[in-house]
Amino acid sequence: DGGITQSPKYLFRKEGQNVTLSCEQNLNHDAMYWYRQDPGQGLRLIYYSQIVNDFQKGDIAEGYSVSREKKESFPLTVTSAQKNPTAFYLCASSMGDRTGELFFGEGSRLTVL
Amino acid sequence: QQPVQSPQAVILREGEDAVINCSSSKALYSVHWYRQKHGEAPVFLMILLKGGEQKGHDKISASFNEKKQQSSLYLTASQLSYSGTYFCGTDHSGGGADGLTFGKGTHLIIQP
Repeated sequence: DGGITQSPKYLFRKEGQNVTLSCEQNLNHDAMYWYRQDPGQGLRLIYYSQIVNDFQKGDIAEGYSVSREKKESFPLTVTSAQKNPTAFYLCASSMGDRTGELFFGEGSRLTVL
Repeated sequence: QQPVQSPQAVILREGEDAVINCSSSKALYSVHWYRQKHGEAPVFLMILLKGGEQKGHDKISASFNEKKQQSSLYLTASQLSYSGTYFCGTDHSGGGADGLTFGKGTHLIIQP
């Protein structure tokens, strides 16, 4: 079955540590996205990528980094510079057309201790 | 700029109807609707584009008023499975998902 796989589902991190969240898709989609979700805040865009080896900052990119070395993979690193990293992170992909239907993964919940 | 959704929350009995609104202060190219159940990924419901084009599930209906920069999602004869948080996303430039800004969500609870 085609879809988006995020791992890990739950992650605990000590302050000052970097952590990388994995996102893999087998939908053959060109575009991939990372969103952050906090209670009562909706979805906020962190980074997105339309093609391999290219990505753009979203609304809240500070403290995060990404790479897009393969079409199917778009990992997100939450760095120690991110001041409030505890959140639910969602990865999504789309065909990259103007209608922009997003297909989401199950999410990764990061807790900083 | 984040769209404003209303109401913030609504509780219905099974079989009742609901309307969820999404409004923007800027001209809209398209409006996207998603539903998220607790602890799960958001699921696509519908996209409404400037000029009248729509794409979405047959059982969901929505409207898009370009002049008023508003969209409404209509849930008729609600079922228990409709419970969840509904998000609208607004696109102002035609960039599809790249330019989407999501509202804070409307929590819908359907009771038997």
